[in-house]
Amino acid sequence: KQEVTQIPAALSVPEGENLVLNCSFTDSAIYNLQWFRQDPGKGLTSLLLIQSSQREQTSGRLNASLDKSSGRSTLYIAASQPGDSATYLCAVSTNTGNQFYFGTGTSLTVIP
Amino acid sequence: SQTIHQWPATLVQPVGSPLSLECTVEGTSNPNLYWYRQAAGRGLQLLFYSVGIGQISSEVPQNLSASRPQDRQFILSSKKLLLSDSGFYLCAWTALRGRNTEAFFGQGTRLTVV
Repeated sequence: KQEVTQIPAALSVPEGENLVLNCSFTDSAIYNLQWFRQDPGKGLTSLLLIQSSQREQTSGRLNASLDKSSGRSTLYIAASQPGDSATYLCAVSTNTGNQFYFGTGTSLTVIP
Repeated sequence: SQTIHQWPATLVQPVGSPLSLECTVEGTSNPNLYWYRQAAGRGLQLLFYSVGIGQISSEVPQNLSASRPQDRQFILSSKKLLLSDSGFYLCAWTALRGRNTEAFFGQGTRLTVV
């Protein structure tokens, strides 16, 4: 069964700093990988989707990379802002695309 | 554009009472639908998913059941709630478009069983 791990579990950085969140998965036979943001008590907001054949995706200050062979993805956040404070989750889908497996998330706090 | 509605937002129910959470999707047809549970300090656990009307796959044997009476409606139910059913329940949908399958989530239901 696919297992997804996110490190670190929590991260606190000063405003303006660049940071990297890590996601690893045990089965490289994935369909795609998706990064989400979750604010306290809210649902998940999709940030970036990387297809299994792609190596990275960018949206604004966010850049996600995927190394399927090593089972790793990173989410790079440039010039962090207090509004970036949230929990970030990664999820991988199975090779049928029907099921998603989530990591436990990284709780990010950006200090003004 | 597509939207997903989930209700209620919060719910407090006594042990042994029934449960019905509803999720509807607008702006798309034949979506894949999902129910997840998120316990405090834990990741999301897939409970059920559906690829079509009346087609339900259960991931975890438990006190819950799911139904899909209409194409864009997904219902999570229980006949008798347990304390362990407390958690944050999330509905999600995807529209299979090759490898560009992206998941979208509702705002969640906070269930507290007392």
